[in-house]
Parts: sequence; C-alpha cells; structure tokens
Amino acid sequence: AQSVAQPEDQVNVAEGNPLTVKCTYSVSGNPYLFWYVQYPNRGLQFLLKYITGDNLVKGSYGFEAEFNKSQTSFHLKKPSALVSDSALYFCAVRVGGSQGNLIFGKGTKLSVKP
Amino acid sequence: NAGVMQNPRHLVRRRGQEARLRCSPMKGHSHVYWYRQLPEEGLKFMVYLQKENIIDESGMPKERFSAEFPKEGPSILRIQQVVRGDSAAYFCASSPPRATQETQYFGPGTRLLVL
Repeated sequence: AQSVAQPEDQVNVAEGNPLTVKCTYSVSGNPYLFWYVQYPNRGLQFLLKYITGDNLVKGSYGFEAEFNKSQTSFHLKKPSALVSDSALYFCAVRVGGSQGNLIFGKGTKLSVKP
Repeated sequence: NAGVMQNPRHLVRRRGQEARLRCSPMKGHSHVYWYRQLPEEGLKFMVYLQKENIIDESGMPKERFSAEFPKEGPSILRIQQVVRGDSAAYFCASSPPRATQETQYFGPGTRLLVL
C-alpha cells in the first residue's frame, strides 16, 4: 500500500537556524512527491514538488527538498528559519498516475522561536 | 486568476440534517478532489471528479455521502443525516486537465460542526 510517514509530530527551531522536516514514503513505481504548508484555519498552500530530474527541488519562501531514492525520503529544508515559517507542514505522494489523488502524511508542526 | 473557492467557510448543522459543501475550481481546471481533515490529523482523500464524471470515490463513505461536478456550476459534496463524527474540515482541490504532473491547488476549506 502507498503511504507517507512524517516521523516528527513537532519540530522546534530557533530563528536563523537551519530547519529540516522529515518525510519518507512507500509507493510502487515512481513517486510524485509534494510539500504543502497549512497556517491555522487556512487551506493548504503548495510549496514544491518532485516529479523527475534533479533531486534537489527549490520551492516557495526559500524552502527546498531533496529526493533520495535509496532512502525513500523527501525531507524539507530551509537554510535559515523565520518565525513566520511556524505552521503545519504536510508531505504527500501522488498515486494512480499523474492525475491521481494525494496521500498525505499526518503533518509536522514547525515552531520557530525568536 | 482567482484561487479555488469554497463555501460556506463554516457550517453548523444538527444531527440528522443535511450539509452541502460547494467548491469552485480555479479557472481552467476541470479536475476536482475532495479531502477531509479530522482534528490533529492529515488529509484523507474522499473523491475525485471531472466534469459530469466520478473518477474515483474509493475514499468516500458508502452511505450518506455523495458528490457531483455538473457541467455548469460548482462541485457539491453532500452529506445526508449528519452525525457528530462528520465534524471536520473539508477541503477541495483542483488541477488542470492536462495529464501531466500537475499540482493540486487547495481551497480554504469548509469547517463543518455537527451539534
């Protein structure tokens, strides 16, 4: 079965420090991987995606993610965290070809302290 | 280009009533997905529709839930005889018609509270 795991419920980082939010996946075939961010009482905003090509993907707001096929991971990173980055982050994988539904991880709450 | 629109943003129903949630996809998008988010959980897929067709409803409960995406007008998620366990945030997403690796763009959600 296809699945996505986000092993950390919460990540705490000091402002200005690098941040990593972890994601691993299990799919049959080539994965299409996505990161979304959700602010309180809001919808999900698309950050970045990996479909094919370069393993390092750059996205919105200075975020990037690295696709690692051997470790089946797609960790989200940012070199210098901002307090405004505090939010809920979801990793997702697409199934059923390019137009299939997304399977989401449970989410990781990122808290950036000044 | 307006984003995905959902209404109402908040909906309160008593047990046994019907809930109708509406989703207008982004302009040019013909694929609509509905997801449900329970408190403290991730999003769970419910149904995938194209205009006048249900493509995949494998995540939809077999009873009381239905969805449509008519030729004209928004997509509707309908919940009949609501129960307290239906209380959740319901999100709609849309994507373009091309069968390439398209991103799904999400609406702000409808937060349903069943009393």
